[in-house]
Amino acid sequence: ETGVTQTPRHLVMGMTNKKSLKCEQHLGHNAMYWYKQSAKKPLELMFVYNFKEQTENNSVPSRFSPECPNSSHLFLHLHTLQPEDSALYLCASSQDQVGAGNSPLHFGNGTRLTVT
Amino acid sequence: AQSVAQPEDQVNVAEGNPLTVKCTYSVSGNPYLFWYVQYPNRGLQFLLKYITGDNLVKGSYGFEAEFNKSQTSFHLKKPSALVSDSALYFCAVISGFQKLVFGTGTRLLVSP
Repeated sequence: ETGVTQTPRHLVMGMTNKKSLKCEQHLGHNAMYWYKQSAKKPLELMFVYNFKEQTENNSVPSRFSPECPNSSHLFLHLHTLQPEDSALYLCASSQDQVGAGNSPLHFGNGTRLTVT
Repeated sequence: AQSVAQPEDQVNVAEGNPLTVKCTYSVSGNPYLFWYVQYPNRGLQFLLKYITGDNLVKGSYGFEAEFNKSQTSFHLKKPSALVSDSALYFCAVISGFQKLVFGTGTRLLVSP
């Protein structure tokens, strides 16, 4: 068990659907992240939250909408996605925001998203 | 801008032999370097990091990495590979308060 739990593990959605990805961390960390992992490409940082406040939006299209109600939970709301958005979406947490204390990231197992 | 290069898409090694997974980086200041491993259908797991101090860093599962400033490299090594080491390995670098940048990953295949 990684300490970071993501649900669902797999999601298939049409381009007009609305769905949400959920992430929960049990590590007492202060920072949480969403990453997108596509084959043969580096991990793409999407959003960063530190103490529940969004500190980074890495030019992500508005069809992806994050929400962080508290330091332990992070959501990614999805709306009118495109087929090229199909990927593995990884949630991660760290004690301090990376760049401040250089704490390592702890990742969940990801949600495999397929947009049809 | 920061960057990381993992020049090999795949590394093949026989069980019991030493393994090396290569990583080079480019940053404007002092680098902080990380290695992560990803097993099938799992997220990334932290293996080890270099912040400062001894150039040889030891990590989980018998892995180690050597920081070489003159060659701007941070290669991952293990003296004796196991079949269970087969996975995808990612190098990452950060400098100052910039973003953590990951490489494209290297698939390690250890044959029995």
